[in-house]
Amino acid sequence: ILNVEQSPQSLHVQEGDSTNFTCSFPSSNFYALHWYRWETAKSPEALFVMTLNGDEKKKGRISATLNTKEGYSYLYIKGSQPEDSATYLCAFMGGNYGGSQGNLIFGKGTKLSVKP
Amino acid sequence: EPEVTQTPSHQVTQMGQEVILRCVPISNHLYFYWYRQILGQKVEFLVSFYNNEISEKSEIFDDQFSVERPDGSNFTLKIRSTKLEDSAMYFCASRPRLAGGRSQQYFGPGTRLTVL
Repeated sequence: ILNVEQSPQSLHVQEGDSTNFTCSFPSSNFYALHWYRWETAKSPEALFVMTLNGDEKKKGRISATLNTKEGYSYLYIKGSQPEDSATYLCAFMGGNYGGSQGNLIFGKGTKLSVKP
Repeated sequence: EPEVTQTPSHQVTQMGQEVILRCVPISNHLYFYWYRQILGQKVEFLVSFYNNEISEKSEIFDDQFSVERPDGSNFTLKIRSTKLEDSAMYFCASRPRLAGGRSQQYFGPGTRLTVL
């Protein structure tokens, strides 16, 4: 059974703090790693799709790194703002599913709360 | 910006009843998915659909479940005889025709199904 783990489960930070979360996934048969941002009552929104070992991606204050050999990805938020409050989901796609299927195996998410 | 829509946002039904959850994927997308999240648990893959047939399905997607794309725009999930354990948030997702995991999936806001 393929397992994706995220830590911490929840995080409370002050506005302006920088923070990071971890996603662990199987290191074999890797195809892609997705990060999604999910605000309550809204659609999960894709942040990054990462495919190569050593990938680093950035979108504004949010960045992510990928290590496929050891099976982990980090998501960083620099200078957190209250609008960053959301659940951050990572999702693994194994090589066996890299064709037309593309189904994702999700972690449980990290719930971030940023206090003004 | 195009988005995936889902109706209804909340469905309450009695155990044993049939429900149909509806999704309108983004118009030029070719791959369609259903996921669900039972409260407090991970988002789980149910089924993927391409070229008018099921591409992949999980163990959860048993004979009680079916999917259809009846008219080229809607994508439906039917549960024939709902059980209490079917209570969950059901997400529809779609993606364009890019190589499997290298394309983000676009999620709808979900339908919360409550089975009494």
